[in-house]
Amino acid sequence: DAMVIQNPRYQVTQFGKPVTLSCSQTLNHNVMYWYQQKSSQAPKLLFHYYDKDFNNEADTPDNFQSRRPNTSFCFLDIRSPGLGDAAMYLCATSEGHSYEQYFGPGTRLTVT
Amino acid sequence: AQRVTQPEKLLSVFKGAPVELKCNYSYSGSPELFWYVQYSRQRLQLLLRHISRESIKGFTADLNKGETSFHLKKPFAQEEDSAMYYCALYVYNQGGKLIFGQGTELSVKP
Repeated sequence: DAMVIQNPRYQVTQFGKPVTLSCSQTLNHNVMYWYQQKSSQAPKLLFHYYDKDFNNEADTPDNFQSRRPNTSFCFLDIRSPGLGDAAMYLCATSEGHSYEQYFGPGTRLTVT
Repeated sequence: AQRVTQPEKLLSVFKGAPVELKCNYSYSGSPELFWYVQYSRQRLQLLLRHISRESIKGFTADLNKGETSFHLKKPFAQEEDSAMYYCALYVYNQGGKLIFGQGTELSVKP
């Protein structure tokens, strides 16, 4: 089945220790998104890639960066995680800019 | 400001009862609204879109521009409808993006 895969599903990191979350897709979609979802809050778009073009949301902290080495993979790097960065991180894909987005299962990040 | 509001965190009903999950939006342009659903241990997925005016799994949603609402309705709830429901607004910034509401957890009791 074509799908969006996120690894790991659970990630624990220490305050200030860089962490990378990964997303891969077999849908061959050209757009990949990263959302942050804190407890009982709405998923919030951090940034997205349209092919190789990176689009950052205006209010995404500089602490968050992303890489997309090829169509299938996209990474979320948190340079110096703070306690406030503990959240579920969702990766999604779409064919072109679209309201129909295909989500991965998410990675739950804990910061100790 | 572009915003989606779902006033209820939790909605609990009995099987067979009608369900209405509320969604209000704030958007200066022509709104495109959607409902996403997340069943237990499954991923977030698109449920329905206002443009199609379709019924999916018995759910319908009507866009009311006067009231800036897009409530999700089902006449007879089933236990398998228990899930987290997110209302989302699609806006054409930087190509296009979804703005989600905070979600409503629907619990259908037997």
